[in-house]
Amino acid sequence: GEKVEQHESTLSVREGDSAVINCTYTDTASSYFPWYKQEAGKSLHFVIDIRSNVDRKQSQRLIVLLDKKAKRFSLHITATQPEDSAIYFCAASRSNNRIFFGDGTQLVVKP
Amino acid sequence: DMKVTQMPRYLIKRMGENVLLECGQDMSHETMYWYRQDPGLGLQLIYISYDVDSNSEGDIPKGYRVSRKKREHFSLILDSAKTNQTSVYFCASSRDWGSYEQYFGPGTRLTVL
Repeated sequence: GEKVEQHESTLSVREGDSAVINCTYTDTASSYFPWYKQEAGKSLHFVIDIRSNVDRKQSQRLIVLLDKKAKRFSLHITATQPEDSAIYFCAASRSNNRIFFGDGTQLVVKP
Repeated sequence: DMKVTQMPRYLIKRMGENVLLECGQDMSHETMYWYRQDPGLGLQLIYISYDVDSNSEGDIPKGYRVSRKKREHFSLILDSAKTNQTSVYFCASSRDWGSYEQYFGPGTRLTVL
């Protein structure tokens, strides 16, 4: 099955800087790549996704890039704020509602 | 207000006892999921349900079973709980075939002594 790897287990940035979280996947048939955020002690919620028919998507301060050739995708958070501090999970999926999650990246935004 | 609920939120059981975790959603979502989350391991899928009485094993189904008799309700059952089933359990739902965004419940922290 699909295996999703998140390269950074922890990431620390200064407030206002950009943060980049990188993920790779193994299944060439994966076509949907969502990102979820988990704040301390809370549940996960969806933040942004990208489908394989595009290589870039932006929603406010969040940018997702997809490189299908390299089977790599990344989340860029620009102008980071303290409330961006959380665990971010990348995931990959074919078209069957089964999503495979990475192990998560703890992002710390320091003031 | 779209919502996934889980009961109970915290539970302490002794090894060998039976455990019932309940999940509900008010969005008429067809697909529902049970995951467990352990430190450093991300989310592991236990079971997925595509609709009433249509359940499939995930990656770690051993020691668990599920029940879905109504679309809005999905239960996770541990028959004779083990200490290695101590974890945080999340339920999630998604709308329908081809709609992949999952809505997560608040989680149940289960401790098996």
